[in-house]
Formats: sequence, C-alpha cells, structure tokens
Amino acid sequence: QVQLVESGGGVVQPGGSLRLSCAGSGFSFSDFSMHWVRQTPGTGMEWVAFLSHDGRNALYRDSVKGRFTMSRDNSKNTVFLQMNILRLDDTAVYYCARGDGPGNWLIDNWGQGALVTVSS
Amino acid sequence: EIVLTQSPGTLSLSPGERATLSCRASQSVGRNFVAWYQQKPGQAPRFLMHGASNRATDIPDRFSGSVSGTDFTLTISRLEPEDSAMYYCQQYADSPISFGQGTRLEI
Repeated sequence: QVQLVESGGGVVQPGGSLRLSCAGSGFSFSDFSMHWVRQTPGTGMEWVAFLSHDGRNALYRDSVKGRFTMSRDNSKNTVFLQMNILRLDDTAVYYCARGDGPGNWLIDNWGQGALVTVSS
Repeated sequence: EIVLTQSPGTLSLSPGERATLSCRASQSVGRNFVAWYQQKPGQAPRFLMHGASNRATDIPDRFSGSVSGTDFTLTISRLEPEDSAMYYCQQYADSPISFGQGTRLEI
C-alpha cells in the first residue's frame, strides 16, 4: 500500500533553516506529483507547495515563496522541502501528500506528518 | 484565493442518524474540483471524495457528496461511532489550493 514517511522536523530559531524529507513507497514514485500541506490548531489546514512528477513544475503559497523550495529525487523515491528564513508562524505539523497523477493537484494519500517548531 | 467556509463547526448526532456537512465556496470552483477528507486525532487525513461526488477507493457508500452551485455537501448516512472525526473540504481547481476550517462530527 502507499506509504509516505516524513522526517527532519524539529525545533529551530526564527530566521533559521530546516529541511524536511518524505520517502514514498508502495507506488511508482516518479509517476506522481507531490504536495506539502501544514496544519496548526489556529490556522487549520494550509497547502504549502506542489511539485510535478518530474520536478519541472512547482507552485508555492505566497507566504512561503522565496523562502521554501520543494524538490525531489526520483531515484531515491524522496521529496524534500527546504525551509529558510523560518518565522514563528511557520510552526506547524507538515504533511507530505501524494497527488493522484503526474501533474494533478488532487491529494489522495497523506503521510503521518512532521512537527516543525519555530521558537526563540 | 477561493475561500471555503464549512458549517456547522460541530455536529453531534447518534449512531444510525444522518450527518449533513456543508462547504460553501467564495466563488465558482472549476469542474467542481472539491475533495473531502476525514481526520481523526493524531492521524493523517483520509481521502474520502473527489470531484464533489466521487467516492475514493474503499470508501463505503454511506458517504456521498453533492453540489449545488458553490455549495458542496458531504452526507454520511447510518452513522457509526468510528465516523467521529474532523471533516475538511478542499478545492483543487485553483492555486492556491485551499481548505475549509473543518467540521467536527461527534457520534
């Protein structure tokens, strides 16, 4: 079955950097687009970034543009989220999620999430 | 950005009853590209429905979806205790993809 496992979460100071990884298994990783979605008690579910199956098309929400970069290594079935210049309001559980096709925006599977805490 | 507003905030019902969860979009959603997800505490969201009314794989037919204009509805019939969860709608027609704030269903 489809499995998505996030890693790399932790505590970081404002202005710092963190890189999340998400390893996929149980499906042909290179055939599917991927997303990152974050969740907080205050703001609820918030889509963060999208990357097409081949890594050529990326989309970001405005509040993370220029600070976050999503990438993937299909040879390792892994997608990444490089987060720079982190802010207090980036604190959230970050979910890796699979699109339901190569360039599709519909999310059909989710990982268990990685907690990112930005705190001084 | 398409804003999705879910109602009610909390719904308390008994086993066997029917739940009606609403999701109103601030503007037209192209091709009715609205999905629904179920989330239980400490768990990842579970994909329920796409295209407003198409059940995901292995989702029982107690779950159904409908749309009228910009109003999207998730109906859960014959409620079971394990249906207790948060339910989120999401539009995936326009960027940024957006979610509703959720409805808590208590059985």
